[in-house]
Amino acid sequence: EVQLVESGGGLVQPGGSLRLSCEASGFTFSSYWMNWVRQAPGKGLEWVANIKQDGSEKYYVDSVKGRFIISRDNAENSLYLQMNSLRAEDTAVYYCVRATSFAVWGQGTMVTVSS
Amino acid sequence: DVVMTQSPLSLSVTLGQPASISCRSSQSLVHNDGNTYLNWFQQRPGQSPRRLIYKVSNRDSGVPDRFSGSGSGTDFTLKISRVEAEDVGVYYCMQHTHWPPWTFGQGTKVEI
Repeated sequence: EVQLVESGGGLVQPGGSLRLSCEASGFTFSSYWMNWVRQAPGKGLEWVANIKQDGSEKYYVDSVKGRFIISRDNAENSLYLQMNSLRAEDTAVYYCVRATSFAVWGQGTMVTVSS
Repeated sequence: DVVMTQSPLSLSVTLGQPASISCRSSQSLVHNDGNTYLNWFQQRPGQSPRRLIYKVSNRDSGVPDRFSGSGSGTDFTLKISRVEAEDVGVYYCMQHTHWPPWTFGQGTKVEI
């Protein structure tokens, strides 16, 4: 069964850092681009970042450039999102999503930025 | 950036009746390879989004045939032929022809 399981969310103060993880199973992880997509409470979907199969290309939405870093470990079938200098507006559920066609989604992990 | 605009943003439907959601893009979604990369997603209350339709009109595995996608260029439509109670949720269109960024519509809330 194809599965994506996110972890690492929680409550963090403004200016703080958090590292999200996504563990993939049931498919050849190293063959796919991978994405992070977020959804603020009661709001729509926003693509955040993605990374090519070998990590050689990475893209970010403008609002997180310079603060967030996407990475992957193909040996561990894992995707990561290092989030620094967090702001209240980063509060959201963060989803791990397979491929640039967004075919498979994880269950999400909640990040709350608040003092 | 390509802006995706959905209408209506809210839709109240009657069980067994049809429903239609429109999605317009700020530029043509026809890729240089000839494909049009327009997806539709369903997000039921409390659940993760689920892809229903890819490349305008192709249903994903397990998606009931009452869901259909159509359109071309900048205008696209998701239709539900006969709405069922399990169809309640928010529907999003998304383009991945012109990137970055990958962009979603605002979402259309469907309620009975």
